[in-house]
Amino acid sequence: KQEVTQIPAALSVPEGENLVLNCSFTDSAIYNLQWFRQDPGKGLTSLLLIQSSQREQTSGRLNASLDKSSGRSTLYIAASQPGDSATYLCAVAHYGQNFVFGPGTRLSVLP
Amino acid sequence: SQTIHQWPATLVQPVGSPLSLECTVEGTSNPNLYWYRQAAGRGLQLLFYSVGIGQISSEVPQNLSASRPQDRQFILSSKKLLLSDSGFYLCAWSGGRVDEQFFGPGTRLTVL
Repeated sequence: KQEVTQIPAALSVPEGENLVLNCSFTDSAIYNLQWFRQDPGKGLTSLLLIQSSQREQTSGRLNASLDKSSGRSTLYIAASQPGDSATYLCAVAHYGQNFVFGPGTRLSVLP
Repeated sequence: SQTIHQWPATLVQPVGSPLSLECTVEGTSNPNLYWYRQAAGRGLQLLFYSVGIGQISSEVPQNLSASRPQDRQFILSSKKLLLSDSGFYLCAWSGGRVDEQFFGPGTRLTVL
């Protein structure tokens, strides 16, 4: 059974810092990995989707990498801003199966 | 562009009352549809998914049910709510089961 963990559970950084969020999964035979952000009381917003054949995806200040063999993905946020404060979740899917979500990392960017 | 709607946004219901939450998707056809629950302090739990009209798969046994009467409409129901049904209910859609998922704004349900 696939299990997804995210470390740290919470992170607080000053504005302007570059930061890395981690996602680990136990079964490396995944098909896709998706990163989301969730603002308090809101739905999830898709940030990036990485297919198993890809090693990274970039969107603006966000860069997500995937290392299937080690069962890990990282989300890199450059020059963090207070507006980046949210909970970040990763989810993985095997072919023909539904996504399995991690518990999330709560990020606070202090002005 | 595609849009996903959920209503109501918030709901307070007494124990034992019925429930009906609705989700609709615009701008796409034959989507995969999903109902998730996010309870306080817990992760996102998949409740139901549907690959087509009338096709519902249940992931977790519970007193909830789902229906898909139209291609882009997904309904979550209960005949009698329990206290443990409280939580944040999210609807999502994707083109396929492993494709990128897009979520609605959610419904906050409080059962008293």
